Amino acid sequence: DQQVKQNSPSLSVQEGRISILNCDYTNSMFDYFLWYKKYPAEGPTFLISISSIKDKNEDGRFTVFLNKSAKHLSLHIVPSQPGDSAVYFCAASVQSGSEKLVFGKGTKLTVNP
Amino acid sequence: DTGVSQDPRHKITKRGQNVTFRCDPISEHNRLYWYRQTLGQGPEFLTYFQNEAQLEKSRLLSDRFSAERPKGSFSTLEIQRTEQGDSAMYLCASSPDNYEQYFGPGTRLTVT
Repeated sequence: DQQVKQNSPSLSVQEGRISILNCDYTNSMFDYFLWYKKYPAEGPTFLISISSIKDKNEDGRFTVFLNKSAKHLSLHIVPSQPGDSAVYFCAASVQSGSEKLVFGKGTKLTVNP
Repeated sequence: DTGVSQDPRHKITKRGQNVTFRCDPISEHNRLYWYRQTLGQGPEFLTYFQNEAQLEKSRLLSDRFSAERPKGSFSTLEIQRTEQGDSAMYLCASSPDNYEQYFGPGTRLTVT
């Protein structure tokens, strides 16, 4: 039973445009959400997180939006750059980022020059 | 700070053999985690330690798997009597309390 779902296996965007990656979750106990980026042959790299007490968190070109009632979050990357091409994982936990994480299957983002 | 390191990076073994992986966390990170990732899936939680205490184990961690973290520093993950289904990327992560987890590069295990 997938508690964290990323329904788009892949996404392709043009350099300079916005990339929007989506994530849905089913477990109401989750209250902390994270996005990780993964390049081939490397471990996941932390990007940005959001607590359930917020609905938006921004860090440079990356913004995460959380809609608790819909159990949905999204990652916006503006503007997208070719170096952003990677697999993006959504993850959720109870309480904080240092609790066990439940990951989605990932979305492969390709940013075309 | 050199980040989380894992050794070996790749391991090929025959079915039925035992294997052991090592993880060195970022210094002063008191929490250490093990995850497993198979093709097309996200990482799946296996177990985690706070200092030397193993606080939680997933039901994915069968009795053939054992993890230790002596003295609260590095950790080892041992798989006994390996099976082809154990083939995966084994990821280690570390964090301080209430902070995000930082992952190592992983150990890719292939069981033939």
